[in-house]
Amino acid sequence: GDSVTQMEGPVTLSEEAFLTINCTYTATGYPSLFWYVQYPGEGLQLLLKATKADDKGSNKGFEATYRKETTSFHLEKGSVQVSDSAVYFCALSVMDTGNQFYFGTGTSLTVIP
Amino acid sequence: DTAVSQTPKYLVTQMGNDKSIKCEQNLGHDTMYWYKQDSKKFLKIMFSYNNKELIINETVPNRFSPKSPDKAHLNLHINSLELGDSAVYFCASSQLWGGSGETQYFGPGTRLLVL
Repeated sequence: GDSVTQMEGPVTLSEEAFLTINCTYTATGYPSLFWYVQYPGEGLQLLLKATKADDKGSNKGFEATYRKETTSFHLEKGSVQVSDSAVYFCALSVMDTGNQFYFGTGTSLTVIP
Repeated sequence: DTAVSQTPKYLVTQMGNDKSIKCEQNLGHDTMYWYKQDSKKFLKIMFSYNNKELIINETVPNRFSPKSPDKAHLNLHINSLELGDSAVYFCASSQLWGGSGETQYFGPGTRLLVL
């Protein structure tokens, strides 16, 4: 079946550190891949997405590249800020299943000054 | 203007009660969803409606009944609440059903606590 495996947290980084959150997927069809972010007490917001292999999604300094050969969509940011503290979710959707979303378990990030 | 809104934001109730959560989207989307997020932040889809028709109905107790009076609204009614129903419930919407790469837009969540 379709699923997403995400790096376990929590992750604690100092401000300006480099961030990587690993995400790998299993899909029966040809998925679209997403990163969502959830700030404390809020709903999920789309951070970035990629819909085909080798696409790079980017937003607010975050990037992720759709790698079909390694079935991965790792999230990276070169220099994190305190305001990036949140829970990050990797997700996939496949047209064959009507765009149903499958989420990873979420990775909690805390950035300390 | 809030794109996807939910009411109430917090809901504290006793076991055995019946409660409803309302969701509205003003994005003109065709498809709406309900997700449950447990205490470990794990998100699981419960239901999906497309143009007011039920499309996805995951393994959810039949105490949970969604209702879509129109495309812009998807409400969730829960009968005979149990302790294990305590969670955050998120409503979401997307423009199309089955479109490649369709983004889902989430509401702020309803935090349900069953005592």
